[in-house]
Formats: sequence, C-alpha cells, structure tokens
Amino acid sequence: QLQLQESGPGLVKPSETLSLTCTVSGGSISSSGYYWGWIRQPPGKGLEWIGSIYYSGSTYYNPSLKSRVTISVDTTKKQFSLKLSSVTAADTAVYYCARQWAAADPDVFDIWGQGTVVTVSS
Amino acid sequence: QSVLTQPPSVSGAPGQRVTISCTGSSSNIGAGYDVHWYQQLPGTAPKLLIYGNNNRPSGVPDRFSGSKSGTSASLAITGLQAEDEADYYCQSYDSSLSGYWVFGGGTKVTVL
Repeated sequence: QLQLQESGPGLVKPSETLSLTCTVSGGSISSSGYYWGWIRQPPGKGLEWIGSIYYSGSTYYNPSLKSRVTISVDTTKKQFSLKLSSVTAADTAVYYCARQWAAADPDVFDIWGQGTVVTVSS
Repeated sequence: QSVLTQPPSVSGAPGQRVTISCTGSSSNIGAGYDVHWYQQLPGTAPKLLIYGNNNRPSGVPDRFSGSKSGTSASLAITGLQAEDEADYYCQSYDSSLSGYWVFGGGTKVTVL
C-alpha cells in the first residue's frame, strides 16, 4: 500500500527558504502515469496546488508561486522535494504531498501524505 | 478568492440529503474538464471521494454521488450520517494563464 510522508523544518524565518521532502513507500516513484504534487492549506482556509513533478524531472508550477518554487525528484531515494524561497507569514500552512494520477482528466490527487505544519515567523 | 466557488457551509439532519455546489467558468468546468471531490475530516489530510464527476474509489459508500452540468458540478450525500461531518472540496483544471489544477474554497458539512 503506497504511503507518502512529508518531512522538514516546522519553523522558517521570513525571507528564508522553506524546504520539505516527501518520501514514498510501498510503491514506486517511477511509475508511468503518475505525477507527484505539493498542495498547501493555510490555517482555516482551503487547498492550494503548489506544483508537481514527474519521475523524469518534468515540472508544473502554480503561476502565482512559480517565481519562488522549485520541485525536484530523487528516484534512488524515492523522494521528491519542495523549495519555496523568500517566504512570508502568508506561506504559513499545512503542506501536503500527494500522488497525482495523470490518467484521470484532469489529474486527480488520489493518495495524500498526512501533512506537515510550517510556520513562518522570526 | 478560489477559482471554483463553493458555499461555505451546508447542514442537514441525520438521514437527510444534502448537496454541495461547485461553480466554475468557461476556462475550467465549462471547458469540459471533469471535477473531483475530496473529503477532509477534522485534523486529517484530504481523501479522494469522487473522481471524474461521478466515480467512487473503492471503499467510498454509495451514499456519495457527483454530477456535472455546464459550468457547475455537485456532490450529493444521501442518508446523511454523523461521520459525514467534514469539509468537502471540489477540484478541476483551469486552462487560463499557463494552466493549473484548482480547488474550490471548501464546504463545511454539519450534521444537526
């Protein structure tokens, strides 16, 4: 049974870079037809897609965050990572990683990690 | 402001039927993109509830159903149960700008 687990610092200072990693277990990160995505949820608010990556390294980013986001993948470690630069308090959120099934139209996020809380504060 | 618009809350008594709307535009739902629905129980990650407008993943009760028409979609819960109290989100794709996956703002379902 495929599982995803986010990890990374829970506290980041303003203007610094937020870095998170998602580890995939119980399955392959290199399966065709699946992207791997990051989604966030600010306190008391809705979900926002951040970006996604294929095992080959192909990426898609939310246009509103594109200038600050980098997503990478390490297939040998079965991990994909998120970097968000120049963070502010508005980036405080629960960050989720999720498997993105590309055979659906549009892609559907069918398996989610438990989420990790990231607070931006000095 | 979410690209897809949902009512902030709906409520119903146990056993009743409630519906949640998800309104989009010509660049997302109206462009023909399907709609997916997620259930988020308090303090947990979202879970896929409905995909491709009206398909249920294995294990999702048939009390949950979805539909789509024009620029809108709906999620219906029949025979409402206490365990259905949660936040529900719709999701689709928007072809404006460079294209991206979008969510509704979420609807809180309260079981009275």
